[in-house]
Amino acid sequence: DADVTQTPRNRITKTGKRIMLECSQTKGHDRMYWYRQDPGLGLRLIYYSFDVKDINKGEISDGYSVSRQAQAKFSLSLESAIPNQTALYFCATSPGRAGGQETQYFGPGTRLLVL
Amino acid sequence: QKEVEQNSGPLSVPEGAIASLNCTYSDRGSQSFFWYRQYSGKSPELIMFIYSNGDKEDGRFTAQLNKASQYVSLLIRDSQPSDSATYLCAVNARSGTYKYIFGTGTRLKVLA
Repeated sequence: DADVTQTPRNRITKTGKRIMLECSQTKGHDRMYWYRQDPGLGLRLIYYSFDVKDINKGEISDGYSVSRQAQAKFSLSLESAIPNQTALYFCATSPGRAGGQETQYFGPGTRLLVL
Repeated sequence: QKEVEQNSGPLSVPEGAIASLNCTYSDRGSQSFFWYRQYSGKSPELIMFIYSNGDKEDGRFTAQLNKASQYVSLLIRDSQPSDSATYLCAVNARSGTYKYIFGTGTRLKVLA
């Protein structure tokens, strides 16, 4: 079984709809992240969480919210989806090491299309 | 200036040649440097990381770090068609806020 799973893997929705992307991990890592990837723009950090009580905005958090339901679960919500949120979304985890030695482990991604 | 810069490519090399991928970064406080490989439509996966100046070798891969020049590179020896992918450079900086910044990636094509 995959260590980091994302559901759904593909989603088509309409402008204005609320959607939730879910991420679960069995790696036992405290740190979890949500990224979006767009062609030519690379991976951009939306939100990150260093533990269940710690949620932080990333580079591009506007229009998104998150919930850390447990150590193993981190959900991303689009409260009112808009077409420019069409992208490939990745969840990632990391073990949290001193000195910033943070290898990240990625889920398979969710491809989102907002019409 | 972007915080982490990579040439988008594509970089084309013949099978068996050495592929050289480069990355520059702007934050002098950056501490850790990572190379990820991403096949089309797939998630990034770690190839290797480097923290200290100099070279680090792992099989066919060598990472090179020069903090004075703010430059990190990845060499792939004996390139294979299966190495064809996008290679992402990532930089982790210790500062007031958490920073883990990815470059936009370099697309590598290994020609059989």
